[in-house]
Amino acid sequence: GAVVSQHPSWVICKSGTSVKIECRSLDFQATTMFWYRQFPKQSLMLMATSNEGSKATYEQGVEKDKFLINHASLTLSTLTVTSAHPEDSSFYICSASITRGSGEQYFGPGTRLTVT
Amino acid sequence: TQLLEQSPQFLSIQEGENLTVYCNSSSVFSSLQWYRQEPGEGPVLLVTVVTGGEVKKLKRLTFQFGDARKDSSLHITAAQPGDTGLYLCAGARGQGGKLIFGQGTELSVKP
Repeated sequence: GAVVSQHPSWVICKSGTSVKIECRSLDFQATTMFWYRQFPKQSLMLMATSNEGSKATYEQGVEKDKFLINHASLTLSTLTVTSAHPEDSSFYICSASITRGSGEQYFGPGTRLTVT
Repeated sequence: TQLLEQSPQFLSIQEGENLTVYCNSSSVFSSLQWYRQEPGEGPVLLVTVVTGGEVKKLKRLTFQFGDARKDSSLHITAAQPGDTGLYLCAGARGQGGKLIFGQGTELSVKP
């Protein structure tokens, strides 16, 4: 149980284009979904917290107009990287929690984004 | 400022050795999770500890939550090459369920 999927698993795009990453909870309804970014050999950096039907809460320093988050249902959240640049290349990981505030999060397999 | 200090950040040991990873903070957490992550994959939840002083065992892994709920440790007995990976501790604070992650421990177990 508590399986989270992400699509695509990897994507290569040209500078200036936009890329959408999907995060789905497959066997549970997620009260909250989170989006992280991870650089090689480093820990996870929280980008934003997303609740179904409401605007995402972004962490300090994360541009909300560049990283658009839509949480359309209790099982789907999307992250769109707009006007991507090479410095946006990274490993993006989503997670979902079943119980609000529990702290227990289940992670997707991640999406490797490369911007050329 | 790192709210959750994890150490060591790198550890290379031989198969069969024991090891301990520590996570320390000056803040109190409502719960603390330990994850293991392999390259190119998402973190996998190993355990959640909630009660101060709690000890949980998962085969050769022993997790402990400090009495004051500010620190935690992960002890691996007789490490195996399959234990190789990035171990992450993460503490939960507040109602939003956000996690504060430690820096991670890159463990390499050589046969």
